[in-house]
Amino acid sequence: AQTVTQSQPEMSVQEAETVTLSCTYDTSESDYYLFWYKQPPSRQMILVIRQEAYKQQNATENRFSVNFQKAAKSFSLKISDSQLGDAAMYFCAYRTYNTDKLIFGTGTRLQVFP
Amino acid sequence: ETGVTQTPRHLVMGMTNKKSLKCEQHLGHNAMYWYKQSAKKPLELMFVYNFKEQTENNSVPSRFSPECPNSSHLFLHLHTLQPEDSALYLCASSQERIQETQYFGPGTRLLVL
Repeated sequence: AQTVTQSQPEMSVQEAETVTLSCTYDTSESDYYLFWYKQPPSRQMILVIRQEAYKQQNATENRFSVNFQKAAKSFSLKISDSQLGDAAMYFCAYRTYNTDKLIFGTGTRLQVFP
Repeated sequence: ETGVTQTPRHLVMGMTNKKSLKCEQHLGHNAMYWYKQSAKKPLELMFVYNFKEQTENNSVPSRFSPECPNSSHLFLHLHTLQPEDSALYLCASSQERIQETQYFGPGTRLLVL
């Protein structure tokens, strides 16, 4: 069975600093997508970044970047120059290439201190 | 209005009530989803609709009844719920069923007394 594990229930970071959120997953598939979603207190789940497993290059979106280690089945999210608005729950998610079923981790609550 | 909207945002109901959750997407997508988000548990996919046809029912109890009258609207009809059904119910949509990105609504916070 495919599973997604986020081992850090909570993380905190100082404003303007860098923080890394961890995610590991288990799958026997070779083609899949990985995602990081952000859920602020407003509860709207917002896509932060996605990675296709066949791409060796790590995805980057402005201050957000991932470290995708396919062999290790690891998909961490790095947030650079953290801002107060980055405070939210962050969910790692996995989807096999030919299905629409997203499998989520339990989330990491990120606090950003001024 | 853009994106995915959900109403109501909050709902309190008794176990004998019947209520409905509504989701509307303004993105021109063809696939819509219901998820359940309980405290300290991963999001759980409940139902998937593609072009108004249900394509997945993830072993959801019959007290949850989805309806998709068109590609833009999705309902979740609730009846005789249990307190353990209290959760955040999230709706999502994507361009096609097999599409990498799902866009989520803000959710309905449901409390069953």
